[in-house]
Amino acid sequence: AQKVTQAQTEISVVEKEDVTLDCVYETRDTTYYLFWYKQPPSGELVFLIRRNSFDEQNEISGRYSWNFQKSTSSFNFTITASQVVDSAVYFCALSGVLTGGGNKLTFGTGTQLKVEL
Amino acid sequence: EPEVTQTPSHQVTQMGQEVILRCVPISNHLYFYWYRQILGQKVEFLVSFYNNEISEKSEIFDDQFSVERPDGSNFTLKIRSTKLEDSAMYFCASSASRTGRSYEQYFGPGTRLTVT
Repeated sequence: AQKVTQAQTEISVVEKEDVTLDCVYETRDTTYYLFWYKQPPSGELVFLIRRNSFDEQNEISGRYSWNFQKSTSSFNFTITASQVVDSAVYFCALSGVLTGGGNKLTFGTGTQLKVEL
Repeated sequence: EPEVTQTPSHQVTQMGQEVILRCVPISNHLYFYWYRQILGQKVEFLVSFYNNEISEKSEIFDDQFSVERPDGSNFTLKIRSTKLEDSAMYFCASSASRTGRSYEQYFGPGTRLTVT
């Protein structure tokens, strides 16, 4: 069975602070994918990143960076110089890998990020 | 940019009634999914669909649920006899284009189902 844990229910920061959202996962699969999705107040789910399990290189995209550590089963997400528009619920998710794709996502419970002026 | 669309955005129905939630996945995608999110909770997988049949379903997806791809573009979720606990946001998603491996699931804006 797969499991994703996001221990931080809610984080509040002041604009321009850096913030890290934690994600720990469990799976018996040797190959898997990890994802982050953003859910703004409007409710849609916005894809942010996908990582596969055999690529442990950290990734940076603008103010966003992701730290994947297989040894600790973690896939943490850092927002640098946070902005009010970053306020949202952020979900970490995990899927197995079937040939050709088509795997269910197992989501964590989400972290509500509030960025205040 | 292609996107997943869902209709209606909000559906109110009485307990025991049938509802059909509609989705138009991204046109060259192969896999289709339904998820639900009860207010304030995490997103839960319901069902995945490939090559005109269900490829996986969760324990939530019992006999009152069904999915269909009636015409090559729409993908529908039917709830036969709604219960109060079916009230949730229902998300459709699609993934895996024919032009290459793409495992990201792209989600529609959701349909908020309210059962009274």
